[in-house]
Amino acid sequence: GIQVEQSPPDLILQEGANSTLRCNFSDSVNNLQWFHQNPWGQLINLFYIPSGTKQNGRLSATTVATERYSLLYISSSQTTDSGVYFCAVPGFGNEKLTFGTGTRLTIIP
Amino acid sequence: DTEVTQTPKHLVMGMTNKKSLKCEQHMGHRAMYWYKQKAKKPPELMFVYSYEKLSINESVPSRFSPECPNSSLLNLHLHALQPEDSALYLCASSQVSNNEQFFGPGTRLTVL
Repeated sequence: GIQVEQSPPDLILQEGANSTLRCNFSDSVNNLQWFHQNPWGQLINLFYIPSGTKQNGRLSATTVATERYSLLYISSSQTTDSGVYFCAVPGFGNEKLTFGTGTRLTIIP
Repeated sequence: DTEVTQTPKHLVMGMTNKKSLKCEQHMGHRAMYWYKQKAKKPPELMFVYSYEKLSINESVPSRFSPECPNSSLLNLHLHALQPEDSALYLCASSQVSNNEQFFGPGTRLTVL
């Protein structure tokens, strides 16, 4: 099956800093999702981004499908940005999502 | 309404108990999913329902029994679980066509 790797695995930043999270996948995909899992376990949809660039406030994402990677940018980090960020891509038949390994982000006040 | 709801939020059960997890969505989605997530790991798919029919079972033990009574509801019946089944159980839904999945808040299950 498709392999999805994220980097870095852990990131600790001061409030106000910017960060870039990376998602690499082993096969071509027709869509990709980014999620933020908060400390209570809720998976919050950030982006549905098969290709190109999208922006939502302080967050933006870019997917380069031909090179099999996606980037999530977080600017001016806030403590509420802490949590685990997952990317996920569909598997064969488009019915299942395979999640990446996750990046744990900690924002220090 | 863009919300997926799950009940209960927390569940503690013994190995001989029978319990059920419930999931509901009112987004008109016709695909629904159960995932299991262990601590510090990504979610792993268990089951997929498409148009109320089971389309994927990821070799899940029979002590987990899914049910989709209608297009808005998804249940997961639990029986004779093991302590290693303790995890966060997440429900999701999507359109069948584009697979953009929306998740509920999860049920945190502890098996004693």
